[in-house]
Amino acid sequence: DTAVSQTPKYLVTQMGNDKSIKCEQNLGHDTMYWYKQDSKKFLKIMFSYNNKELIINETVPNRFSPKSPDKAHLNLHINSLELGDSAVYFCASSQDPPGTSGAYEQYFGPGTRLTVT
Amino acid sequence: QKEVEQDPGPLSVPEGAIVSLNCTYSNSAFQYFMWYRQYSRKGPELLMYTYSSGNKEDGRFTAQVDKSSKYISLFIRDSQPSDSATYLCAMNLEPPGNQFYFGTGTSLTVIP
Repeated sequence: DTAVSQTPKYLVTQMGNDKSIKCEQNLGHDTMYWYKQDSKKFLKIMFSYNNKELIINETVPNRFSPKSPDKAHLNLHINSLELGDSAVYFCASSQDPPGTSGAYEQYFGPGTRLTVT
Repeated sequence: QKEVEQDPGPLSVPEGAIVSLNCTYSNSAFQYFMWYRQYSRKGPELLMYTYSSGNKEDGRFTAQVDKSSKYISLFIRDSQPSDSATYLCAMNLEPPGNQFYFGTGTSLTVIP
């Protein structure tokens, strides 16, 4: 009964390929996120969805496209992969509007380690 | 300049030591302050959060916020090898939005 799950856990692919990472949360949260964590551990937000609607879209290449089929799922599709896309990608969710735990509490998935060769 | 700055370390301490982890920030509108712990090859997990200034204690962990100095701290008493992880601070505005601002994380190793 994992709260936030991601698949796959590891992804090794070649430059130019297209790949997808899936995320699901069973917490009943309204908001989901994608973060990229580089080798220096810096977590940078990429996208945020609230009830299937895009609310944050940071400056990321348009090769990255999030898709939310329902509020429990937020998938990340990446086209034409580049070496610089190698990183760990985390999905997260939070409750919105704030419940008893507040909107300041995010729950993270285990991460997908993407390696582009 | 990043909105949240955190010394990346690494920090290495003997078991039982008191650990002090810190972040500074530039946006005075931040009101929610969080500390996350991230074990190797795992996702971050929320340790503690505080609202506005003040202290909050939870077992061996104490979070402090000094808004006048734009400085937050996490203290770990009687540190254990199981505390070895990367600690990330994070902040949010008032009212809390969907944009969380993270520090770069401090890597901590507690040596038995």
